[in-house]
Amino acid sequence: GAGVSQSPSNKVTEKGKDVELRCDPISGHTALYWYRQSLGQGLEFLIYFQGNSAPDKSGLPSDRFSAERTGGSVSTLTIQRTQQEDSAVYLCASSLVPGSVLFFGPGTRLTVL
Amino acid sequence: AQTVTQSQPEMSVQEAETVTLSCTYDTSESDYYLFWYKQPPSRQMILVIRQEAYKQQNATENRFSVNFQKAAKSFSLKISDSQLGDAAMYFCAAIYSSASKIIFGSGTRLSIRP
Repeated sequence: GAGVSQSPSNKVTEKGKDVELRCDPISGHTALYWYRQSLGQGLEFLIYFQGNSAPDKSGLPSDRFSAERTGGSVSTLTIQRTQQEDSAVYLCASSLVPGSVLFFGPGTRLTVL
Repeated sequence: AQTVTQSQPEMSVQEAETVTLSCTYDTSESDYYLFWYKQPPSRQMILVIRQEAYKQQNATENRFSVNFQKAAKSFSLKISDSQLGDAAMYFCAAIYSSASKIIFGSGTRLSIRP
């Protein structure tokens, strides 16, 4: 596609449920990033992929969070046993190579009731 | 620690006037890139402007320009002839050669008064 896409755009779930958030990067972009943005706040780094490997997972807030990337393309961020504090907008971004300009998707707004 | 600081949570400017958003960063590295991103209410992050640290000349993009002061580790964004469509959150960001993640500031919410 022409840009980074994310699905779903909105997700409402109950506390304790698992959720999967999907990101489709720009074709050919080798680097993929996940960020979290709480209401009115800045961007919190979660994880970065180079190809299918994740050299930097330092931002994942707990072991309930995991992510994978397959075929050097689509990435899935999974949150297990969701908590209310997980409510936020989850942004995905890709870049041609690590360190170059990031192109962001529209984000997934997650609400945990 | 490598940090990016935006000290102005909110700014307001009259339409057609000029406004400057402040940003400072902290690093001991010599090779890095600096960015300003805009996030309108639609929440889509849009790149406004980019500056390479090795370039002394300040980057400009139409009505947007930066004042890059490397020694002071300052990277401010100037918006000239402000328009209603400029209303958004503006994030300053940096990427350093030793890391592959972009570090963002906390953002400045810019409002435009008609």
